[in-house]
Amino acid sequence: QVHLQESGPGLVKPSETLSLTCIVSGYSITNDYYWAWIRQPPGKGLEWLGSVQHDGTPHHNPPLKSRVTISLDTSKNQFSLKLTSVTAADTAVYYCARDKGGWVQSDWGQGTLVTVTS
Amino acid sequence: DIQVTQSPSSLSASVGDRVTITCRSSQNIDNFLNWYQQKPGKAPELLIYGAFTLQSGVPSRFSGSASGTDFTLTISSLQPEDFATYYCQHRWAFGPGTKVDIK
Repeated sequence: QVHLQESGPGLVKPSETLSLTCIVSGYSITNDYYWAWIRQPPGKGLEWLGSVQHDGTPHHNPPLKSRVTISLDTSKNQFSLKLTSVTAADTAVYYCARDKGGWVQSDWGQGTLVTVTS
Repeated sequence: DIQVTQSPSSLSASVGDRVTITCRSSQNIDNFLNWYQQKPGKAPELLIYGAFTLQSGVPSRFSGSASGTDFTLTISSLQPEDFATYYCQHRWAFGPGTKVDIK
């Protein structure tokens, strides 16, 4: 049974880089699947940010491509999200998820709230 | 760029009701359409993928159908635990959600 857990700072200053890690247990991230990040601003809908394949190939949501980096850390069985030049509009609950292919997020972390504030 | 819309944005229903939620894509998406359920304060959960396929462990009262660019999530008999917000998704595009609450 795979388990995903988001980790990272809950507060980020405007113009800085948001960095989160998703710690995966119960499954090796290099075996198969895609590993994704999705966010949800308070009281709003879901936004798919991007994913990374088990071989390290990234996939992006086109409007965010220039700001988002998603990568694997195979030594720690985790993957990460970096979002540059944040503003208040990036305040959201950030979820990591396992994607079984075709943008199908079958397993999710519990989510972590990141607030952008000076 | 493909857009997905959902209707209604909210609905009120009673336990035992048959509920249908519709998602429409702006062009043909070859049934690459997923449905998720989200309860307050919780992560979304996958219900249906590929328009029709029920995710393992999801009750059979949930079903998905498609007709061209119109996709439907049906709950055959609404249960108390089904009051939630439902989202459709195609690739990186999520629909705006449909909130199902108690009548």
